[in-house]
Amino acid sequence: DAMVIQNPRYQVTQFGKPVTLSCSQTLNHNVMYWYQQKSSQAPKLLFHYYDKDFNNEADTPDNFQSRRPNTSFCFLDIRSPGLGDAAMYLCATSRWPEAFFGQGTRLTVV
Amino acid sequence: AQSVTQLDSQVPVFEEAPVELRCNYSSSVSVYLFWYVQYPNQGLQLLLKYLSGSTLVKGINGFEAEFNKSQTSFHLRKPSVHISDTAEYFCAVSPWNAGNMLTFGGGTRLMVKP
Repeated sequence: DAMVIQNPRYQVTQFGKPVTLSCSQTLNHNVMYWYQQKSSQAPKLLFHYYDKDFNNEADTPDNFQSRRPNTSFCFLDIRSPGLGDAAMYLCATSRWPEAFFGQGTRLTVV
Repeated sequence: AQSVTQLDSQVPVFEEAPVELRCNYSSSVSVYLFWYVQYPNQGLQLLLKYLSGSTLVKGINGFEAEFNKSQTSFHLRKPSVHISDTAEYFCAVSPWNAGNMLTFGGGTRLMVKP
């Protein structure tokens, strides 16, 4: 059974058009993460939440925002996607010592 | 701060041969160590983890890894690979005092040939 679910699996958006990626979890974990993974690269942490406490990585562009309305859901908003934002976006939850990843959303910017 | 180096970006190997994927790390604090596998267009799946205790840890799919503190290494091994093991493998570390804040290595693409 899927525990961390990301929708959609594939998203195509136009250059500059806002886009939202969603993540839900059935694990009731209080920590959630968003990672960006560009082609042939390692995942890079964008944000994480501990409950509702939001933590932004220092080098995460301002173009990226996140919302967590409740324990189960988390959203990644890209306000004005550029070609360089094309990537796989991974959502994860954590209950020490393990992190659980969703299947990812592959974002294409045209 | 932590950093992770995976020494080989690609490892080609024939089916049923043994394989070792190398991982070295640096950190100013004690860390926990992980190996994840990623199949094409999929998320990451945990293979195994080292938290404490025995330095040889066994994971899923017949993989094992050995933690070597003096060499700051955590190499992944499998005695006999299958075609289905073809995937990207990521080594990661997490500081002992920072929850699951993972720092990943650059990944190693394991290519198993028939």
